[in-house]
Amino acid sequence: SQQGEEDPQALSIQEGENATMNCSYKTSINNLQWYRQNSGRGLVHLILIRSNEREKHSGRLRVTLDTSKKSSSLLITASRAADTASYFCATDARPGSARQLTFGSGTQLTVLP
Amino acid sequence: DTGVSQDPRHKITKRGQNVTFRCDPISEHNRLYWYRQTLGQGPEFLTYFQNEAQLEKSRLLSDRFSAERPKGSFSTLEIQRTEQGDSAMYLCASSHLDRELNYGYTFGSGTRLTVV
Repeated sequence: SQQGEEDPQALSIQEGENATMNCSYKTSINNLQWYRQNSGRGLVHLILIRSNEREKHSGRLRVTLDTSKKSSSLLITASRAADTASYFCATDARPGSARQLTFGSGTQLTVLP
Repeated sequence: DTGVSQDPRHKITKRGQNVTFRCDPISEHNRLYWYRQTLGQGPEFLTYFQNEAQLEKSRLLSDRFSAERPKGSFSTLEIQRTEQGDSAMYLCASSHLDRELNYGYTFGSGTRLTVV
């Protein structure tokens, strides 16, 4: 079953605009990760935020985490056509060293040139 | 190429046939994962290995599925007596235990299975 749910399911913006995607999850987590997937390809790791962090930046990406609301957001600034892809949040909720990411159903982002 | 390699990229098989997929992880990664992804959904966990030991299997992994990682290097995922519901993208990922929390997983491009 999917732990995370992304919102919106689909987002279409103009090149240069910012894109914000949200993720909600159900259980306590160790960390939350965001991945990008181009059509028919594997997933690419974008950024990881730990449960004791509130905000993290990487290039044009900004991720926030609110553990009290069990939610996260991914902001892509100054979007480019090459950012067109599906974006998934994934939670790592297992105790100890066991690792099993649980993915949401994704947001399909389309950046129009 | 230092990424995760999966072979084949596409597989079409008749219902009832057996299929086997291969994954070659990044060489220094000691953890290897298999996920399954159906159209419009996120990947779902199937199983993972730490070195050659299979440490966890999902309830999704019925007795028709078996995975191995001999010698802690490449891994194979076999599906016996395939069913149409097995049609999906099968993704392999690898990671290093000590660096996973900073770098996440590295995924391969997947094997797309179509059962006709």
